[in-house]
Amino acid sequence: GQQLNQSPQSMFIQEGEDVSMNCTSSSIFNTWLWYKQDPGEGPVLLIALYKAGELTSNGRLTAQFGITRKDSFLNISASIPSDVGIYFCAGLTGGTSYGKLTFGQGTILTVHP
Amino acid sequence: EAQVTQNPRYLITVTGKKLTVTCSQNMNHEYMSWYRQDPGLGLRQIYYSMNVEVTDKGDVPEGYKVSRKEKRNFPLILESPSPNQTSLYFCASGRGQQPQHFGDGTRLSIL
Repeated sequence: GQQLNQSPQSMFIQEGEDVSMNCTSSSIFNTWLWYKQDPGEGPVLLIALYKAGELTSNGRLTAQFGITRKDSFLNISASIPSDVGIYFCAGLTGGTSYGKLTFGQGTILTVHP
Repeated sequence: EAQVTQNPRYLITVTGKKLTVTCSQNMNHEYMSWYRQDPGLGLRQIYYSMNVEVTDKGDVPEGYKVSRKEKRNFPLILESPSPNQTSLYFCASGRGQQPQHFGDGTRLSIL
């Protein structure tokens, strides 16, 4: 199946620093989604992107849908301890596989106070 | 309160013993889907459903069955579970074709 390469795999940062992570694929996606997962819980949808070039913010989070439709990035500004968790990108396929979702491997974020 | 409810939350069972993990949502969502999460592999989609009686395979459907007879329910069936299906499973629902709400997960151990 399709694969998403998410990087970095993990990040250790100080509180207040900005964070950037990205996903790349060899395939085109119609929608990019970013999720956060806290320990012992299901993922929570952070941002959804629907058009190539689209830049969307949700509080301190900003995500962009790459022009080629094969990549996306997520930035977190001024990190705080509650940003700790695993962040996943996901791409939605169109066409005959409408509704098929592929996830990246995740970025584990640790924030030191 | 908007919820996706999975049951059971934990299950230890043996190879070959049929089991069903139930999933129910109270948001009238058309889209529902199942995922398994394994260390280092992220989440992988097993099956998804765009609406009642409409289901499609995700990336890892082998060994699993689903049904969507009602809008709110989307059970995952393992007819003959094997140890390689030991995993953490999530159900999700949403509008359009994107999962917006996930359940809290079901941890299955198959011995």
